Amino acid sequence: DTGVSQDPRHKITKRGQNVTFRCDPISEHNRLYWYRQTLGQGPEFLTYFQNEAQLEKSRLLSDRFSAERPKGSFSTLEIQRTEQGDSAMYLCASIRNIRGYNEQFFGPGTRLTVL
Amino acid sequence: AQTVTQSQPEMSVQEAETVTLSCTYDTSESDYYLFWYKQPPSRQMILVIRQEAYKQQNATENRFSVNFQKAAKSFSLKISDSQLGDAAMYFCAYRSSSGGSNYKLTFGKGTLLTVNP
Repeated sequence: DTGVSQDPRHKITKRGQNVTFRCDPISEHNRLYWYRQTLGQGPEFLTYFQNEAQLEKSRLLSDRFSAERPKGSFSTLEIQRTEQGDSAMYLCASIRNIRGYNEQFFGPGTRLTVL
Repeated sequence: AQTVTQSQPEMSVQEAETVTLSCTYDTSESDYYLFWYKQPPSRQMILVIRQEAYKQQNATENRFSVNFQKAAKSFSLKISDSQLGDAAMYFCAYRSSSGGSNYKLTFGKGTLLTVNP
């Protein structure tokens, strides 16, 4: 267990519905990342936060996606009007400095299935 | 943009034997980090080993070691004395270490390792 938790672990929804995922990073980790992993692919960067500020968004993050990190603690990722192409594993990671190196710790992911 | 390529979708090894997973990458940067991550079925991704590009010495972590060839942009992972618990998807990843880096990782597509008893 890396200490990063995500909820829910699985989500099945119908096309067109909105979904929201939550990530709880290791406490005091100031950087938080979202990645998307589709079948047969490695994780792809979506966005990241430093404290409560969203500092970078990938081109993969369409207008239907929004992420927040109020108060610099947990983060949410919302997908509006879901499409079948949104089906993927959504991974969250936070960074902790270990012996001078910033290591990313990953959560277990939320697997989204859009019917 | 950096790219990471893992040309072996699947590999298998006998328990107690040695296996090498391949990874190549493309970058115009001179300073960066390379990683191997392990993702067991339905479990969290964890870091296996890390290599700083400015270090010539290959990284080693117990039974895991890398062969880092900077000029060839190659970064392979060797697992010695394979154990059943090593069975997982292995991802090679790249991270820039330039000033102002956002520390985001660029991953390959992964290699699924099966360990046969």
